Amino acid sequence: ETGVTQSPTHLIKTRGQQVTLRCSSQSGHNTVSWYQQALGQGPQFIFQYYREEENGRGNFPPRFSGLQFPNYSSELNVNALELDDSALYLCASSLDTANTGELFFGEGSRLTVL
Amino acid sequence: AQSVTQLDSQVPVFEEAPVELRCNYSSSVSVYLFWYVQYPNQGLQLLLKYLSGSTLVKGINGFEAEFNKSQTSFHLRKPSVHISDTAEYFCAVSRSGGYNKLIFGAGTRLAVHP
Repeated sequence: ETGVTQSPTHLIKTRGQQVTLRCSSQSGHNTVSWYQQALGQGPQFIFQYYREEENGRGNFPPRFSGLQFPNYSSELNVNALELDDSALYLCASSLDTANTGELFFGEGSRLTVL
Repeated sequence: AQSVTQLDSQVPVFEEAPVELRCNYSSSVSVYLFWYVQYPNQGLQLLLKYLSGSTLVKGINGFEAEFNKSQTSFHLRKPSVHISDTAEYFCAVSRSGGYNKLIFGAGTRLAVHP
């Protein structure tokens, strides 16, 4: 059973650029959530995908968007990068949308915006 | 809306001593409660969760937590810590019956000294 994997692990962008982060969910998991963790803070919920549809979103602007593919892997896209977007981006997968289960987190993609 | 306050940003403790990491939450609806641990350069791992039933919850690595509804608290305890417990600990809450949107606290850095 493979765990949640994310790529790339580190990347550096400049203001105004666009970035795509990728996540492969744990085997058998059909729900993927994305979180942003700024330095010294707890993770903040960006959005969740279930069966290729967004079914929950946190307080993030529309320039944060995502996709989920038929194999349940997912992408997070951020347009018009700002300095404050520098953070660790965590992907988490689970078996269903009900929050009684455990979220399995990847090790994250660390984005630095210069 | 829900919120989580972790009362200590850092907790230093000697090896084999007991430790308590404090967490208070605010919510107008029923919630589920979680503790996650984050080791350096890794993703988050679930320690334990409270969904319903017994207010004393036991988790992995010898940790336990007690749900106190009247005090809106969910403090994490371990009777004897090891050097390997050094990590960042996050308390999180989600609305019961809702989708997997976790609201995290800012984290508590547990530093175990020999």
